[in-house]
Amino acid sequence: QVQLQQSGPGLVKPSQTLSLTCAISGDSVSTNSATWNWIRQSPSRGLEWLGRTYYRSKWYNEYAVSVKSRITINPDTSKNQFSLQLNSVTPEDTAVYYCARNNNWSFDYWGQGTLVTVSS
Amino acid sequence: QSALTQPPSVSGSPGQSVTISCTGTSSDVGSYNRVSWYQQSPGTAPKLIIYEVTSRPSGVPDRFSGSRSGNTASLTFSGLQAEDEADYYCSSYTSSGSYVFGTGTKVTVL
Repeated sequence: QVQLQQSGPGLVKPSQTLSLTCAISGDSVSTNSATWNWIRQSPSRGLEWLGRTYYRSKWYNEYAVSVKSRITINPDTSKNQFSLQLNSVTPEDTAVYYCARNNNWSFDYWGQGTLVTVSS
Repeated sequence: QSALTQPPSVSGSPGQSVTISCTGTSSDVGSYNRVSWYQQSPGTAPKLIIYEVTSRPSGVPDRFSGSRSGNTASLTFSGLQAEDEADYYCSSYTSSGSYVFGTGTKVTVL
């Protein structure tokens, strides 16, 4: 059974960097058959896919256009986890952030969610 | 990428058949068999209930079914039950290599 465990701060100041980590058990971040994603949810923006990292003989990262200039998703093979960094945050980035595995073009396992509030 | 369009709410009595629509474009829903549906209860993460338009993951009741016609996908409850009361979201892979979600539908069991 795949499990995703998120960690990271719930409060970030405006203009600073949001950082979250997703620890994987029951699968490998280096698998050739899935991708590892970050998704957020807020009342104003609904569910929004942010980006993914995946391994297919080499590492790939792909990001949503809306956050492409501010986002980095990195795998950490030594700890079997992946991370999200979102720079220069504003109150509009306040949301519940989820990590999720994508397999068969769908998100089949999700983390528990982290409410991140951007406020001074 | 604009969100896929879903009705804000639908309702039905127990045992009734109810359908939720999910309208996209030829760049997402209409292009690929890569539409999925999720059930979300308050305070919890979304749960996958339909993938690749029509397939159900192991453990998902067969009263949930998916279909697609053109740029619109649909989720049907064949025999609504009280425990089906939740928010439902569709999602599609897009021609730009990203994913887009629907606006969400609240299902109420009367």
